[in-house]
Amino acid sequence: DGGITQSPKYLFRKEGQNVTLSCEQNLNHDAMYWYRQDPGQGLRLIYYSQIVNDFQKGDIAEGYSVSREKKESFPLTVTSAQKNPTAFYLCASSIAGQLNTEAFFGQGTRLTVV
Amino acid sequence: GDSVTQMEGPVTLSEEAFLTINCTYTATGYPSLFWYVQYPGEGLQLLLKATKADDKGSNKGFEATYRKETTSFHLEKGSVQVSDSAVYFCALSDRNGGSQGNLIFGKGTKLSVKP
Repeated sequence: DGGITQSPKYLFRKEGQNVTLSCEQNLNHDAMYWYRQDPGQGLRLIYYSQIVNDFQKGDIAEGYSVSREKKESFPLTVTSAQKNPTAFYLCASSIAGQLNTEAFFGQGTRLTVV
Repeated sequence: GDSVTQMEGPVTLSEEAFLTINCTYTATGYPSLFWYVQYPGEGLQLLLKATKADDKGSNKGFEATYRKETTSFHLEKGSVQVSDSAVYFCALSDRNGGSQGNLIFGKGTKLSVKP
């Protein structure tokens, strides 16, 4: 079955550590996205990529980094520079550049700083 | 820039009640509009969409009509069930420059349906 997979589902991080969240899709989509979800805040865009080896900052990119070395994969690193990393992180993919196409979401990773 | 405003929650209804969740948008031109649903602990799923003015999206008893004159895309269901309890997000597709196709979301409305 085609879909988008995020791992792990739950992640705990000590303060000062970097952690990497995995996102893989087998939908053959060019575009991939990372969102952060906080209670009462909706979804905020962290980074997006429309094509392999290229990515753009979203609204809240500070303290995060990404790579897009393969079409199927778009990992997100939460660095120690991110002041408040505890949140629910959602990865999505879609057909690039099309305005009427839906985005497909993974199940999310809940990151907690301990 | 483009934005989406949806009614604040939470919304609590009894089973079989009528549901309306208001959504209005601000955008340049004519974006595509979407409603997504998020069940507890999960990602978002597309519920319905409309791509041009006066289009009606529908799925699982939910409906929403793209109203250009009022820049609205209100979600309705005639008779809600306990299983409809979830968070509902209104969204539009961004037409700006290189980010075409990016979705801009409202803050979400939590719906709880009581038996």
